[in-house]
Amino acid sequence: DQQVKQNSPSLSVQEGRISILNCDYTNSMFDYFLWYKKYPAEGPTFLISISSIKDKNEDGRFTVFLNKSAKHLSLHIVPSQPGDSAVYFCAASGEIIQGAQKLVFGQGTRLTINP
Amino acid sequence: GAGVSQSPRYKVAKRGQDVALRCDPISGHVSLFWYQQALGQGPEFLTYFQNEAQLDKSGLPSDRFFAERPEGSVSTLKIQRTQQEDSAVYLCASSPVEGPSGTYEQYFGPGTRLTVT
Repeated sequence: DQQVKQNSPSLSVQEGRISILNCDYTNSMFDYFLWYKKYPAEGPTFLISISSIKDKNEDGRFTVFLNKSAKHLSLHIVPSQPGDSAVYFCAASGEIIQGAQKLVFGQGTRLTINP
Repeated sequence: GAGVSQSPRYKVAKRGQDVALRCDPISGHVSLFWYQQALGQGPEFLTYFQNEAQLDKSGLPSDRFFAERPEGSVSTLKIQRTQQEDSAVYLCASSPVEGPSGTYEQYFGPGTRLTVT
């Protein structure tokens, strides 16, 4: 039972345009959401997060939107740059284990930015 | 500063062999996580330590999987009698109790790619 779903395995975007990556979740207990970026042969690196008390969080070129009623979040990258080409994972947490989050990840979306 | 390191980076084991995967977390990080990432999937939680205490091992797929962190720093994930379905990338992540912005951010190592033949 996939609690966090990224339904697009891949996405191709022209350099300079907006990239929009989507993520859906089923567990209404999730209250914290994160996006991670992964290059080949490296571990995932944290990109941006959002708490369920907010509907938007922005950090430079990256903005995450949360729609709790739809159980949907999205990551917007604008403008897209070639270095943004990577696999992006959406992750959710609803359980704090003595100060640490237990994360549930989606399957990932491979983003390719074309020059 | 140094990030999370894992060794070996690649491991090939014959079915039935035991393997041990090592994780060196970021110095001072009290939380340590192990994840399993199958091909084309996202990481899946295996187990969690706070210092030397294993607080959650609900994600370990079978009793062939065992993890330890005896001194609250380096951790080892051991898989006994490996099976082909154990082939995956094993990721380790560490975290301060609370991140600088309160985000509980987890910092991942590069992973160990285990192939069982």
